[in-house]
Amino acid sequence: NSKVIQTPRYLVKGQGQKAKMRCIPEKGHPVVFWYQQNKNNEFKFLINFQNQEVLQQIDMTEKRFSAECPSNSPCSLEIQSSEAGDSALYLCASSLQGANERLFFGHGTKLSVL
Amino acid sequence: QQQVRQSPQSLTVWEGETAILNCSYEDSTFDYFPWYHQFPGESPALLIAIRPVSNKKEDGRFTIFFNKREKKFSLHIADSQPGDSATYFCAANTGGLSGKLTFGEGTQVTVIS
Repeated sequence: NSKVIQTPRYLVKGQGQKAKMRCIPEKGHPVVFWYQQNKNNEFKFLINFQNQEVLQQIDMTEKRFSAECPSNSPCSLEIQSSEAGDSALYLCASSLQGANERLFFGHGTKLSVL
Repeated sequence: QQQVRQSPQSLTVWEGETAILNCSYEDSTFDYFPWYHQFPGESPALLIAIRPVSNKKEDGRFTIFFNKREKKFSLHIADSQPGDSATYFCAANTGGLSGKLTFGEGTQVTVIS
């Protein structure tokens, strides 16, 4: 059973609305990843953190995506103005030592943008 | 561009057969190659992984074969069981601990009895 907790499981938004999802990594895991998995099962890396610091992120050129992992609070991923193309499963994963070790995934937040 | 190519897209095997899934990559800096599986409605989970110092890694019925020269690696599922039916993803990492996993496109495996 996954110990990475993602909320909500399902999120329905209208176009232009904000969409925010949260992730509690497995206890003691300092590295957190966000991936987008589309309906074709393709993974797209979004961003990763070590503790509160960003390690890598994609070029969120539209600046609609933002993410943070504050100390003592859940990590979050927010889409400022949702678009239909954002509809996907957003997966959070955590790791003890980063991408060269096992990633533990949450069940994801399924975002539907109507 | 960092890419991992996976084939076939889908695979159906009889119970007891060996399923073979293939992946290839171009970036020679990749240094960690895991396979994840994902059952419908579930989260991806690590199945088995290999590092380039080895050309083979076994874990029960699951074996990774790695060919560094050809930049290819494969997953063999021996004695396939219906419970193995899932989508399998190969992946690769460069950038060490601060890197990110790049996933293949996935292979949907169906084992029929």
